Amino acid sequence: NAGVTQTPKFRVLKTGQSMTLLCAQDMNHEYMYWYRQDPGMGLRLIHYSVGEGTTAKGEVPDGYNVSRLKKQNFLLGLESAAPSQTSVYFCASSPQGSDTEAFFGQGTRLTVV
Amino acid sequence: GEDVEQSLFLSVREGDSSVINCTYTDSSSTYLYWYKQEPGAGLQLLTYIFSNMDMKQDQRLTVLLNKKDKHLSLRIADTQTGDSAIYFCAERYTGTASKLTFGTGTRLQVTL
Repeated sequence: NAGVTQTPKFRVLKTGQSMTLLCAQDMNHEYMYWYRQDPGMGLRLIHYSVGEGTTAKGEVPDGYNVSRLKKQNFLLGLESAAPSQTSVYFCASSPQGSDTEAFFGQGTRLTVV
Repeated sequence: GEDVEQSLFLSVREGDSSVINCTYTDSSSTYLYWYKQEPGAGLQLLTYIFSNMDMKQDQRLTVLLNKKDKHLSLRIADTQTGDSAIYFCAERYTGTASKLTFGTGTRLQVTL
């Protein structure tokens, strides 16, 4: 069972470069989320999506863009990477409703030099 | 606003009980969760409690919720070295996308 799969697992970028992180889920979940994890700050929500074709800003959206063209995929883009975006990025998905479990991917460790 | 706080570090001896605490500010939370993160891994759901409950027990895990004080705790009985990890509490609301707000995480170190 694949669950939530993130690619790539590791990446090093130079300042100003762009890249896209891919999140794929095979559970037919409506909701998908992108979080970043930084030491001592827990996980902070970047963007989220409540369904195919819809996206919304989370707590820390600046410098990131997202797309949800297909229900199973949620892409996170960095147009011009900055060292402050060095972090571990987690994707999650959940069925619709507040009494459901969110399933997390294994994370992508991004370093911007 | 939404704010979830935890202490950053806890050290216990193997076989003792661990108690990890969490405070939250938003009284409209519907569910409160405990996630475990092992080194280099994603987050694994351990347990959760609905906001109209005071306590939930699941094998070695006991969750206590004090709604008046907005305080949540996770007790791990007979702590083992395999319990060493970061533990996150999170709150979730009814509303758009049922977003989770996470605490800062507590690193549990289990010593022999």
